[in-house]
Amino acid sequence: DVKVTQSSRYLVKRTGEKVFLECVQDMDHENMFWYRQDPGLGLRLIYFSYDVKMKEKGDIPEGYSVSREKKERFSLILESASTNQTSMYLCASRPGVSGNTIYFGEGSWLTVV
Amino acid sequence: QKEVEQDPGPLSVPEGAIVSLNCTYSNSAFQYFMWYRQYSRKGPELLMYTYSSGNKEDGRFTAQVDKSSKYISLFIRDSQPSDSATYLCAMLKQAGTALIFGKGTTLSVSS
Repeated sequence: DVKVTQSSRYLVKRTGEKVFLECVQDMDHENMFWYRQDPGLGLRLIYFSYDVKMKEKGDIPEGYSVSREKKERFSLILESASTNQTSMYLCASRPGVSGNTIYFGEGSWLTVV
Repeated sequence: QKEVEQDPGPLSVPEGAIVSLNCTYSNSAFQYFMWYRQYSRKGPELLMYTYSSGNKEDGRFTAQVDKSSKYISLFIRDSQPSDSATYLCAMLKQAGTALIFGKGTTLSVSS
């Protein structure tokens, strides 16, 4: 089974703090994704990566950055957390160019106060 | 018009009912169709996957794709309280491109 692990399930951070959300997958997938999920807005793609050190902006990249130094690990960084970034963050991975389904982690609930 | 439309519900049914969940889409280029189930405070898990038109059955679940109408459905037979979750449809134009999600339908099955 594919396993996508998000190390932090619940976080509370202060406005202005730098926040790191970590994600690790164990299936040697090339593609990795970060989404946020909000009531009424559904899943929105923040960033994705199709290879080590490669990244592409999704639909809502503002206020976020990402890092992919190793194939199995994809980090989401909130440079200066704001209250409107309070949300559930979901990491996902997908096999290479022929992949069509993605596999999600359990989610990280972030509250910014 | 949004690319993928899904009624958010909530949908409440008694145990044992047949449930029909639906999505419509506007782009005829979509070829791959998926249904994800998401329990409260958990990540979505892949439930069903179909390619192009037709039906696919897996136990109590049947996924149906009608490309001519741009309409996909998920049927749940003999629904159980454990089926209470949010169901997300998702679709893809071609392998390797971005998955487009519906906003999800919340289902509650009462015993």
